[in-house]
Amino acid sequence: AQSVTQLGSHVSVSEGALVLLRCNYSSSVPPYLFWYVQYPNQGLQLLLKYTTGATLVKGINGFEAEFKKSETSFHLTKPSAHMSDAAEYFCAVMRNSGNTPLVFGKGTRLSVIA
Amino acid sequence: EPEVTQTPSHQVTQMGQEVILRCVPISNHLYFYWYRQILGQKVEFLVSFYNNEISEKSEIFDDQFSVERPDGSNFTLKIRSTKLEDSAMYFCASSDRTENYGYTFGSGTRLTVV
Repeated sequence: AQSVTQLGSHVSVSEGALVLLRCNYSSSVPPYLFWYVQYPNQGLQLLLKYTTGATLVKGINGFEAEFKKSETSFHLTKPSAHMSDAAEYFCAVMRNSGNTPLVFGKGTRLSVIA
Repeated sequence: EPEVTQTPSHQVTQMGQEVILRCVPISNHLYFYWYRQILGQKVEFLVSFYNNEISEKSEIFDDQFSVERPDGSNFTLKIRSTKLEDSAMYFCASSDRTENYGYTFGSGTRLTVV
């Protein structure tokens, strides 16, 4: 069975500082990996995804994530936080046969301090 | 940009009542999903639907739940006899293989069972 662990339910950074949200996964086969963002009272928006190919994936709003198979990790980073980045971030894994259910982590709430 | 539309945005119902949550997936998508998020918890998979039948369901999706695509555009989730623990945000999502496995989620329906 697949699972996702997001370290830190709440991360707080200063505006302009590095954002690092951690995600580790458990899967018997190389999975597809996703990061979603949820702004207050809104749905889930896809930030980026890794399926195959380059392990460093760039997404929207300046975010990127790197798939590290040896560490079973898919951490999300952004060099410089903006106030508008404050939201809930979810890491998710999917079996690599595609269009199969997403398994989500518990989420990390990112706060950005002015 | 194409959207997944969910109605209503918020529904309050009495315990034991039937509710129908409605979703309009993106028009050329073939795979449809329901997920739920109990307040403060992670997003959980309920059911996936393809070619007019359920393709996969979780243990949460018991006999109280059903899904239907009554016409060419709507995708519904019915809860026959609601319980207090059904209170959650329900998300509909759709996907198409050609989009390389990134789901598009709706904004959700907040169901409150009283």
